[in-house]
Amino acid sequence: DGGITQSPKYLFRKEGQNVTLSCEQNLNHDAMYWYRQDPGQGLRLIYYSQIVNDFQKGDIAEGYSVSREKKESFPLTVTSAQKNPTAFYLCATGEGNYEQYFGPGTRLTVT
Amino acid sequence: EDQVTQSPEALRLQEGESSSLNCSYTVSGLRGLFWYRQDPGKGPEFLFTLYSAGEEKEKERLKATLTKKESFLHITAPKPEDSATYLCAVQAGAGKSTFGDGTTLTVKP
Repeated sequence: DGGITQSPKYLFRKEGQNVTLSCEQNLNHDAMYWYRQDPGQGLRLIYYSQIVNDFQKGDIAEGYSVSREKKESFPLTVTSAQKNPTAFYLCATGEGNYEQYFGPGTRLTVT
Repeated sequence: EDQVTQSPEALRLQEGESSSLNCSYTVSGLRGLFWYRQDPGKGPEFLFTLYSAGEEKEKERLKATLTKKESFLHITAPKPEDSATYLCAVQAGAGKSTFGDGTTLTVKP
């Protein structure tokens, strides 16, 4: 069953704690992306990776970190430096200049 | 800097009442324009890719068109199940897309 898995679906953390969001894919796509979505808004790019062991900052990378040690996995860490971490986080995969495929998302709430 | 503006922000239609959603863009060297559908609390679902001005794509009640400055998503005789947020995105290079804020469509029976 091909697709993108994000876990967990809901995540709650206390302010000041780092938290890691998981994203796994079995579509064999080279590129993977992390987006943040706030209520009533579109998607903003946090980080993306076009190949294993390489990644680039997106438009809102401050307070976030990523790794890409395997083609199938692209975890996102939300650090305590991120001022407003509460949001809906979406992982996507793609190939070249073609469409992206999205996971189900993780809703993070920090209090 | 690439920019995507979608209008209107929200659109309420009666079932069967056709309409169009607009996506205006400014980008250096468009490689592709994408339409996605997003249901509440879920990830976006791919609908169409358009690559060049004059291109059109159709799927059921939806038709996407592209000019050099904008794209339209035409919805013909919509049904309540077409209610969702429709997102437009452009890709200029390096596999990186810029998204608009979306149009939330509500179709009332």
